[in-house]
Amino acid sequence: GENVEQHPSTLSVQEGDSAVIKCTYSDSASNYFPWYKQELGKRPQLIIDIRSNVGEKKDQRIAVTLNKTAKHFSLHITETQPEDSAVYFCAASRGDSWGKLQFGAGTQVVVTP
Amino acid sequence: SAVISQKPSRDICQRGTSLTIQCQVDSQVTMMFWYRQQPGQSLTLIATANQGSEATYESGFVIDKFPISRPNLTFSTLTVSNMSPEDSSIYLCSARKPGPDTQYFGPGTRLTVL
Repeated sequence: GENVEQHPSTLSVQEGDSAVIKCTYSDSASNYFPWYKQELGKRPQLIIDIRSNVGEKKDQRIAVTLNKTAKHFSLHITETQPEDSAVYFCAASRGDSWGKLQFGAGTQVVVTP
Repeated sequence: SAVISQKPSRDICQRGTSLTIQCQVDSQVTMMFWYRQQPGQSLTLIATANQGSEATYESGFVIDKFPISRPNLTFSTLTVSNMSPEDSSIYLCSARKPGPDTQYFGPGTRLTVL
């Protein structure tokens, strides 16, 4: 089955700096890669996703890149703010396993003022 | 986005009892899912709740322990049976909506088993 690895497990950045989280996946049939942000005690919130027919997607300060050949994808947060502090999860799923997400272990991001 | 609600939001239960968690989606969805998030951990898929047929369970999860119902396209229940302290987790309902084809999560049910 699919295996998703996520690094780093914790990330501390100064406000205004950029944060990058990287994930690798094992199943070459995976074609959907969402990123979720989870604040303490709250539900995971979808922040951005990318499909395998696209190499990069951007939404304001957040961007995701996908390298299908290397089977890795990354989340980039620019101009970080204290409210970006949360746990971020990457995930992957196959087209024939619609909705069955395999999650990475998560990255605790701390943005210090 | 989809509005997904769950009841109860949290519960404290005794060992050996069962708890049924309800999930309601604000619109019809083809598939609903149940995930578990153990304390400080990532999310793990328990099963897919299929409308009109039996749920499909992932490796390590069985119907006797986690029976699931899906009576219609907006509602599902997950029962955690014969609970032990190891079942203490957050249980999250999820639905994937076509159109934008994105997946959303409910607020979760925080279960503590004593």
